[in-house]
Amino acid sequence: EIVMTQSPLSLPVTPGEPASISCRSNQSLLYRNGNKYLDWYVQKPGQSPQLLIYLGSNRASGVPDRFTASGSGTDFTLKISRVEAEDVGTYYCMQSLETPFTFGPGTKVDIK
Amino acid sequence: QVKLVQSGAEVKKPGTSVKLSCKASGYTLAYNTLHWVRQAPGQGLEWMGWIGGGSGDTRYSQRFQDRVSITRSMSENSAYLELSSLRYEDTAVYYCARHVSAALDLWGQGTVVTVSS
Repeated sequence: EIVMTQSPLSLPVTPGEPASISCRSNQSLLYRNGNKYLDWYVQKPGQSPQLLIYLGSNRASGVPDRFTASGSGTDFTLKISRVEAEDVGTYYCMQSLETPFTFGPGTKVDIK
Repeated sequence: QVKLVQSGAEVKKPGTSVKLSCKASGYTLAYNTLHWVRQAPGQGLEWMGWIGGGSGDTRYSQRFQDRVSITRSMSENSAYLELSSLRYEDTAVYYCARHVSAALDLWGQGTVVTVSS
């Protein structure tokens, strides 16, 4: 199965400052159709996970434009341009290239 | 309003089975693949399997291959996850999620399953 890793696992942030989370896979998530099968989710405290980014770099409906994502076949990054208090939560990357779908261990973002 | 509504919390004894439901509202469940993901207390997310849109074929994680079954009812517009031979480590929140554009775009509220003697 595809193994996903994330760093850091914990990220204290200052409101208004940028933040960045890295996600890596042990094999390429780039499919022959040109899509990168990597998604980002956030799970806010006490809530279900919610989709942030799909296919590597596409913001889901309603996601603020302070969230951007990019990546190659195996290395991906989620960036928050200016963190807000409501961004607190655990961020997961997930590969949807092949089953079993696998998640990264999560990055817990909290306010300093 | 488009949503997935899951059944209520369950408490089960080890060795027994549990069947959870996930009801779609505002859309036809069979049009999209539906996944099940679980989260043990304080842990990350773990994919369990899916039931495909259209044909209703299924795919399971090898980790649960012999113990899990995902089904659906067109008349109820619902999907079901049955997990058998429950162990203490199956204590978790179980989520259903809709698959659209290679991502899980809509999640249920989760069902807490507690395995306890």
